[in-house]
Amino acid sequence: QQPVQSPQAVILREGEDAVINCSSSKALYSVHWYRQKHGEAPIFLMILLKGGEQKGHDKISASFNEKKQQSSLYLTASQLSYSGTYFCGTAINTGTASKLTFGTGTRLQVTL
Amino acid sequence: DTEVTQTPKHLVMGMTNKKSLKCEQHMGHRAMYWYKQKAKKPPELMFVYSYEKLSINESVPSRFSPECPNSSLLNLHLHALQPEDSALYLCASSQRLPGHYSGNTIYFGEGSWLTVV
Repeated sequence: QQPVQSPQAVILREGEDAVINCSSSKALYSVHWYRQKHGEAPIFLMILLKGGEQKGHDKISASFNEKKQQSSLYLTASQLSYSGTYFCGTAINTGTASKLTFGTGTRLQVTL
Repeated sequence: DTEVTQTPKHLVMGMTNKKSLKCEQHMGHRAMYWYKQKAKKPPELMFVYSYEKLSINESVPSRFSPECPNSSLLNLHLHALQPEDSALYLCASSQRLPGHYSGNTIYFGEGSWLTVV
């Protein structure tokens, strides 16, 4: 049930762009994106709730293709502060409750 | 700054010890979570509480015992742990459970680094 992310890792020079993909073998109803720096808490970036929805703030944006069961995170003109591990998460209903399951993760390193 | 506070930040315990991890939030959230994270892996859900009641237990060994004394507090009691239980333990909270179409953001604490020796 865990979403699969690609690539697993990417190294960028400052100012370059990157795309991180999140794919699920099961239906995706919503997608949560987080960034986690080493030794720190995951920080919420954004939620996409509807197929076709696109969101963004600053130079980070995301899209959600419900039919293809995937979401993509776009980082443009990357900055050193963008370094970290990015996780997508999907809400899964268990019948009596619901939970957020994280994807496999993408490690992003931005260099000078 | 995160509004989910976890203590202690670091804990070293022996395999016969009993210890507890504590988590507190004052955002009025009614869903609280424990996640376990190993190095270079995603956070892995352990327990979910909704309105102070245990809603999900992801088949976690009984040496981990969660407790939700009130809507602001969440504890994780540890007893007879194994070295492989060493990990970062993350507490999190959200207004309600995430749900399929809800926009309930989950906020994480800084975590407690646990080492079992």
